[in-house]
Amino acid sequence: EDQVTQSPEALRLQEGESSSLNCSYTVSGLRGLFWYRQDPGKGPEFLFTLYSAGEEKEKERLKATLTKKESFLHITAPKPEDSATYLCAVQKNNAGNMLTFGGGTRLMVKP
Amino acid sequence: NAGVTQTPKFQVLKTGQSMTLQCAQDMNHEYMSWYRQDPGMGLRLIHYSVGAGITDQGEVPNGYNVSRSTTEDFPLRLLSAAPSQTSVYFCASSYVGGASEQYFGPGTRLTVT
Repeated sequence: EDQVTQSPEALRLQEGESSSLNCSYTVSGLRGLFWYRQDPGKGPEFLFTLYSAGEEKEKERLKATLTKKESFLHITAPKPEDSATYLCAVQKNNAGNMLTFGGGTRLMVKP
Repeated sequence: NAGVTQTPKFQVLKTGQSMTLQCAQDMNHEYMSWYRQDPGMGLRLIHYSVGAGITDQGEVPNGYNVSRSTTEDFPLRLLSAAPSQTSVYFCASSYVGGASEQYFGPGTRLTVT
């Protein structure tokens, strides 16, 4: 059975304190791993797609990496506006566009 | 471009009532889907469609119906609302094929009393 587990469930950081969020996955035949950001009361907003182990993508203070079992979202020198819930999802081969989501990590960055 | 739009934003129903949640997209995406989001459960797929006239069930389809008569619209119908259907509902769309990112609407918060 496909599984996506995110840790920690919640993370409090001081502004400027770098850290990483984890997404562990078990899926047969990964087509892509997605990271989304979700602000309270809003829909998820697309951040990155990773396709194969070793791949990295960056956007401002965020960098996503992928191995065969997990993905990390590294946040460098976070600011209060980075506070949000970060969601990880996997799409597997031969399953169309269906996504399986993890439970999310709620990030709070204090000034 | 409006992207993915959903109406209403909030809705309160009594047990047994029916209603339709509306979803529309203006990106000419073939794939559209409905998710529900509950605390501690993450986003779970209800129904999806790969094009007009084609729909299929996701992980939690019971109690919900969908139809896709046009590329732009993908309404979700609750036939007889139950308190277990209290949730936040999101519609999403994308191109079909490859690992296409899905674009989400702003959500509908539904409470069933």
